[in-house]
Parts: sequence; structure tokens; C-alpha cells
Amino acid sequence: QQQVKQSPQSLIVQKGGISIINCAYENTAFDYFPWYQQFPGKGPALLIAIRPDVSEKKEGRFTISFNKSAKQFSLHIMDSQPGDSATYFCAASTQNSGYSTLTFGKGTMLLVSP
Amino acid sequence: GAGVSQSPSNKVTEKGKDVELRCDPISGHTALYWYRQSLGQGLEFLIYFQGNSAPDKSGLPSDRFSAERTGGSVSTLTIQRTQQEDSAVYLCASSLDRGLSYNEQFFGPGTRLTVL
Repeated sequence: QQQVKQSPQSLIVQKGGISIINCAYENTAFDYFPWYQQFPGKGPALLIAIRPDVSEKKEGRFTISFNKSAKQFSLHIMDSQPGDSATYFCAASTQNSGYSTLTFGKGTMLLVSP
Repeated sequence: GAGVSQSPSNKVTEKGKDVELRCDPISGHTALYWYRQSLGQGLEFLIYFQGNSAPDKSGLPSDRFSAERTGGSVSTLTIQRTQQEDSAVYLCASSLDRGLSYNEQFFGPGTRLTVL
């Protein structure tokens, strides 16, 4: 049972374009939705995160859009750059017996062409 | 300060052998997680430690997998009688777990395990 579904699996965007990655979740108890960025040979690093009490969060060129009724959230990368080429994971979290665990999507490999 | 470190960075072993993977969390972080990252499968939760509490082992795929955390700091993930399907990148993460759902997890670079 996959609790967080992520699409697309891979994405190629031209430099300066907009990269969009989508995620959908099933568990309505999730209350924290982070996106992680992973470069080859490195561990994932937190990029941006949102809680369900807001519909959008923007940090620089990165924006999360959140639709609670549809149980969907997405990452938009504006003015995509070659340095953004990485694998992106969406995740969702809820407290479980007093601590948080992350459920990850399967990842999106983004390639930004020069 | 130093981030999460893991060793070895790469491990090649033969089927049936035991392996130990090590994780050094960020100093002061009370929570420690192990994940497995298989090609095209995202990150799969394995086990969670919080302070001196009993670990949450709900994600361990079989009884060949075990982990311990000594002194609330360093953790070792042990895989006994390795199988080819155990080949993956094993990631460790730590966080300041204050009982909130939004504690950032900081990941190490992982250990790439290859079982021949």
C-alpha cells in the first residue's frame, strides 16, 4: 500500500522553465509535508515544507501548492537551473505514539538542460 | 557542526555473509532513523530510536535485520545472512524529536550495499 504517490518518475525541463512535481496522499492524519532534494552520492536534504493550514508556501524559486480537499500537493521550481538537476522526494508525516515518521514518495529525477 | 556520518560508504559482500553498517548522528539529536533506498522505490522506513525508549522496529523487512543504538548516540544496523535483494543504499537520519510532527530529519550520505 503506497501512501504517498509521486509523479512523474522523471522530468526534463529546459533552463529557465518551470518544473512541476505532483504528489497525492491517502492518510488524512498527515500534517506535515516536506520535499527533499537528493544529489547523486548524497543523502536527501530538506528543501521546503508545508503544513495543511496553508495552501501555498514560497521560498525563493521553490513553491509548494497544497490542496487539502484533494489530498494533493505539488512542488514548483521556477526559472529552473542546471544546478537543480537532482532527485526530488515528497513526503508526509504524522505523529505516531508521540514521534514523527516520514512516508516518502518514490522520487522524481529532474534534469534541467542548459 | 558535523552532519550525520555513515560508514562504510560502500560495502560489497557475498550472499550469506553478515554486514554491519554504522551511523553517527548529529550531536544532541535524540531521534535516529534508518531507511533503505532501493532503485526506483523511494525511501523505505526501517527502524526508529528515540532516547532510551524501545525502538520502533515496524519497518524491518525480516528477522535478518536488527539495529542497536549504544548510549543514545551511535547506531549499528546489522543484516545477517545477506541476500541479493538486500542490495540498496542504507540511509541514516537524525533529528531533534520534541514530539512534534515537523522535526526536520537530517540525512547522512548513506552506505551502498551490494550483495553478490
